[in-house]
Amino acid sequence: AQSVTQLGSHVSVSEGALVLLRCNYSSSVPPYLFWYVQYPNQGLQLLLKYTSAATLVKGINGFEAEFKKSETSFHLTKPSAHMSDAAEYFCAVSDQIEAGSYQLTFGKGTKLSVIP
Amino acid sequence: GAGVSQSPRYKVAKRGQDVALRCDPISGHVSLFWYQQALGQGPEFLTYFQNEAQLDKSGLPSDRFFAERPEGSVSTLKIQRTQQEDSAVYLCASLPPSGFNEQFFGPGTRLTVL
Repeated sequence: AQSVTQLGSHVSVSEGALVLLRCNYSSSVPPYLFWYVQYPNQGLQLLLKYTSAATLVKGINGFEAEFKKSETSFHLTKPSAHMSDAAEYFCAVSDQIEAGSYQLTFGKGTKLSVIP
Repeated sequence: GAGVSQSPRYKVAKRGQDVALRCDPISGHVSLFWYQQALGQGPEFLTYFQNEAQLDKSGLPSDRFFAERPEGSVSTLKIQRTQQEDSAVYLCASLPPSGFNEQFFGPGTRLTVL
């Protein structure tokens, strides 16, 4: 069974500081990995995805993530936090499409606060 | 429309009532998913459709939960005899026919059972 662990349910950073949100996964097969962002009272918006094409993945709003197979990690980073980045972030894993299973397994989320 | 839409956005039900939640996926997306997001948690998979066929319902928590997609577009999630533990946000997502499983999510329906 797949699982996702997000370390830190709440992370606070100062505006302009580095953002680092941690995600570790377990999967029996090479996975697809995703980061989603959720603003209050809204659905999930895809930030970026790993599909085995490249280990460093760039997404929207200046975010990027690096897939490290040896560490089973897919941490999300942004060099300089902006006030508009304050939201909840979810890491998710799925099997590759060929495996026939499409459901996403999510972590519990990390709420990011940005301090002016 | 441009995205996945869900209605109602908010639903308050008394314990024991039946509720129906609607999802309109993005046009052309054949796959549709329902997830349940409890307060302070990540979304959890409920069920999956490909066109009108329900291919996976392993996440439905009890036989009080039922989902359908009779014409392969709009889907309805029905909860019978609601209980307080059913209070959650119910998210719908649709998936384009090609790609890498990038699911597009609706805004969700927040269900509160009193």
